[in-house]
Amino acid sequence: EAGVTQFPSHSVIEKGQTVTLRCDPISGHDNLYWYRRVMGKEIKFLLHFVKESKQDESGMPNNRFLAERTGGTYSTLKVQPAELEDSGVYFCASSQRQGTGELFFGEGSRLTVL
Amino acid sequence: AQRVTQPEKLLSVFKGAPVELKCNYSYSGSPELFWYVQYSRQRLQLLLRHISRESIKGFTADLNKGETSFHLKKPFAQEEDSAMYYCALSNGFQKLVFGTGTRLLVSP
Repeated sequence: EAGVTQFPSHSVIEKGQTVTLRCDPISGHDNLYWYRRVMGKEIKFLLHFVKESKQDESGMPNNRFLAERTGGTYSTLKVQPAELEDSGVYFCASSQRQGTGELFFGEGSRLTVL
Repeated sequence: AQRVTQPEKLLSVFKGAPVELKCNYSYSGSPELFWYVQYSRQRLQLLLRHISRESIKGFTADLNKGETSFHLKKPFAQEEDSAMYYCALSNGFQKLVFGTGTRLLVSP
């Protein structure tokens, strides 16, 4: 069974540019999460989808970040315009049921903003 | 506010030595605690959860509500245990709050 896949694995862009990260969850997983790890800091929650609906987006830093999950399958996270402090590793995770605590993570997308 | 503290950034031990990775949390309700692990070149994965009360790969963790701790222990470390370990807390709605992680390095 394929795990959570993320694309790209690494993206280097200049400040002010736009980047779109994609996440394909495990098939059948209704719950999809985005997390971010900024260098030296903890992995922080960004948002949670249940199917195509945003269940919780309290962790989104600001309105430069836009997440979508059209059709309840894959999700995209767009950063526009990117700032230096957006650099970090963006993790996507999915799960089948709520409350179990076991999230299946992707390998992460490393974003470097110059 | 929910918070997870892992005071050690790096823990270096020799093979066969006991290991304890510390984790303290702050949460007003009844938390669910987890340990996630990321081995080199692999993705983050669940190691164990406190409600399961199980031992995985020789690791155990006991939730101590009095001390608000969930330390991860293993009596005899192996080289293959070298990895990044993250303690995490959930309020039951799967929004995990992670600590900053502890890198465990087990030397031969």
